Amino acid sequence: DSGVTQTPKHLITATGQRVTLRCSPRSGDLSVYWYQQSLDQGLQFLIQYYNGEERAKGNILERFSAQQFPDLHSELNLSSLELGDSALYFCASSPGGRAYEQYFGPGTRLTVT
Amino acid sequence: EDQVTQSPEALRLQEGESSSLNCSYTVSGLRGLFWYRQDPGKGPEFLFTLYSAGEEKEKERLKATLTKKESFLHITAPKPEDSATYLCACNYGGSQGNLIFGKGTKLSVKP
Repeated sequence: DSGVTQTPKHLITATGQRVTLRCSPRSGDLSVYWYQQSLDQGLQFLIQYYNGEERAKGNILERFSAQQFPDLHSELNLSSLELGDSALYFCASSPGGRAYEQYFGPGTRLTVT
Repeated sequence: EDQVTQSPEALRLQEGESSSLNCSYTVSGLRGLFWYRQDPGKGPEFLFTLYSAGEEKEKERLKATLTKKESFLHITAPKPEDSATYLCACNYGGSQGNLIFGKGTKLSVKP
C-alpha cells in the first residue's frame, strides 16, 4: 500500500459526459501528479500540482482540468468524454517538486461507452 | 528528443534463470532514474532511485545499476512472483519534476 488513495476504482460512462476523479496523497506529500495509461501509449504525464498550485503540464487535453485543494487532495475533471479517453488514470504523490520518487495510487479505470 | 527506451519488450524466464532488463535514456540533465514494478490493473510500485553513474541499489533478488547512458535491472534467481511489468522512468532538467516513462518490460517467470 503506497498510502495514495484514489476513488472511484471503476467508472463507466457515456460519450459526451463529464466525470471527476479524486486523489488523496500520502501524508506529508505536497506534490500530486496525474498520469494516463492506455495500452498503446504507456504511462503519460498529464499535470502536476504542488501545494495547491499548478507546477507543470504534460499532454493534457483542453477538455481535462485538475485542481489541488487546501487539504492537498486533488481532483481530475474530464469532460466531453470520447471513446479514446478510456484508460487507467493514476495519481502519484511525492514530498517535493523535483527529483523525488513518486508513489502511485491504485488508479481509476475509466470506460467510455 | 528526450526519450526512455526499454528492452526487451517481453522476457520469459524459467524459475532460477537470472537475466537483466535494459533502460536506455537520452535526456539532458538527468536528476534521477526510477524503477517501478507494475502488476496488471494496479498502480506502479516504487522499487529504486538512482541519481548518478556508478550507483547501485539492491532489494531481494533485484539489483539496479546506472551508467551515463543506461540502467540495468538485474534479476537473480527469479521466482514466479517476480512476474510483472518493470517500468523505468527519468526525471531530468526539462521534465519539471514529472517522470518520463519507458514502455516497460513484461517479465514472465515460469515454475
